[in-house]
Amino acid sequence: GESVGLHLPTLSVQEGDNSIINCAYSNSASDYFIWYKQESGKGPQFIIDIRSNMDKRQGQRVTVLLNKTVKHLSLQIAATQPGDSAVYFCAGSRVAQKLVFGQGTRLTINP
Amino acid sequence: DAGVTQSPTHLIKTRGQQVTLRCSPKSGHDTVSWYQQALGQGPQFIFQYYEEEERQRGNFPDRFSGHQFPNYSSELNVNALLLGDSALYLCASRPDYPPDTQYFGPGTRLTVL
Repeated sequence: GESVGLHLPTLSVQEGDNSIINCAYSNSASDYFIWYKQESGKGPQFIIDIRSNMDKRQGQRVTVLLNKTVKHLSLQIAATQPGDSAVYFCAGSRVAQKLVFGQGTRLTINP
Repeated sequence: DAGVTQSPTHLIKTRGQQVTLRCSPKSGHDTVSWYQQALGQGPQFIFQYYEEEERQRGNFPDRFSGHQFPNYSSELNVNALLLGDSALYLCASRPDYPPDTQYFGPGTRLTVL
């Protein structure tokens, strides 16, 4: 079956440093990937997405990298701020199909 | 522009009861999906509705059913509640075309006692 997994359940970084959150997926047919941020008591908030015909996409302070050869994607957050503290989820799907989520990585920012 | 809205925010039920959760999609979106998120886990897909029909379904029992109305809003019904149904229930919406990003609502926290 299809699965999406994150490499680390928790990640702690210093404020101002860059954060890298990793994710692996099993379904080669997945052609769409998305990162969500979820703060306590809230629903997942869209951060950035990428389609399988791309290997990199940049947003404001965030970059997603996709390596289809090893079925791996990562989220890079530049100059991490206290407001970035949250649980981050990667999800994959075939376009227009259901999203399959990983377990999530809790990002903690140290002052 | 209002995003995805859900009601109620919190709900407490007892085993065996039935519950109905409601969702209004983001403006311009006609496809609604429901997810269940247990504590400490990622969301799990329940089903998706488009044009008032269930288009896809995840691995959930028939106790979970849904409905979509002509205005694209949706309901999730759960019958014969079990303790294990306690979770955050999330609604997500997107336009049917292009089949772009799914945007989530704040969720309904269901507690079954």
